[in-house]
Amino acid sequence: GAVVSQHPSWVICKSGTSVKIECRSLDFQATTMFWYRQFPKQSLMLMATSNEGSKATYEQGVEKDKFLINHASLTLSTLTVTSAHPEDSSFYICSANRDFLYEQYFGPGTRLTVT
Amino acid sequence: DQQVKQNSPSLSVQEGRISILNCDYTNSMFDYFLWYKKYPAEGPTFLISISSIKDKNEDGRFTVFLNKSAKHLSLHIVPSQPGDSAVYFCAASQISGGGADGLTFGKGTHLIIQP
Repeated sequence: GAVVSQHPSWVICKSGTSVKIECRSLDFQATTMFWYRQFPKQSLMLMATSNEGSKATYEQGVEKDKFLINHASLTLSTLTVTSAHPEDSSFYICSANRDFLYEQYFGPGTRLTVT
Repeated sequence: DQQVKQNSPSLSVQEGRISILNCDYTNSMFDYFLWYKKYPAEGPTFLISISSIKDKNEDGRFTVFLNKSAKHLSLHIVPSQPGDSAVYFCAASQISGGGADGLTFGKGTHLIIQP
């Protein structure tokens, strides 16, 4: 298979605090992982591309200092939402594709609620 | 500017009949297309994909057709089953030298299979 996990599955935090979300590829190595965000009744929007051992590439309009991405190993990428605000409340989903394949396999998502 | 469009927010089909979900794209640089199935509060599940060098790809009950000149693709599900009820997302990508880029998603079509 191609299993991707995320942790935590949901988190509630207070405004101004930081939250870290982990994305792991469980049965394959992923040199590239992707982070998406989905607002209610909206589509998934690509936030950034995470490359193992190098800096992430952010999409236009996504603040790199607010959404810190670290891809420290071939099976783990983390997204840290810094100084979270209520407007950051969303469903965050990561994905990865196996080497030489173009299909992306998604994690189960993380529901972030900022109060 | 939405580069991937799914113009039908919902579609209702009787069990056993064919479900046809449509998708249009505007970016001629897209050369790889995917369909995903998604339930609320879960990550998307990969269904089927097609490269721009093909016009049809089939996998069990799922067939994807690509019309490059019209920038249009469709997903056919036959026969439709109650378990197919979900939101279906069309996604597009550009395959670069090192692998696929992040995906651009449509807004999704909610498929409802009626018994």
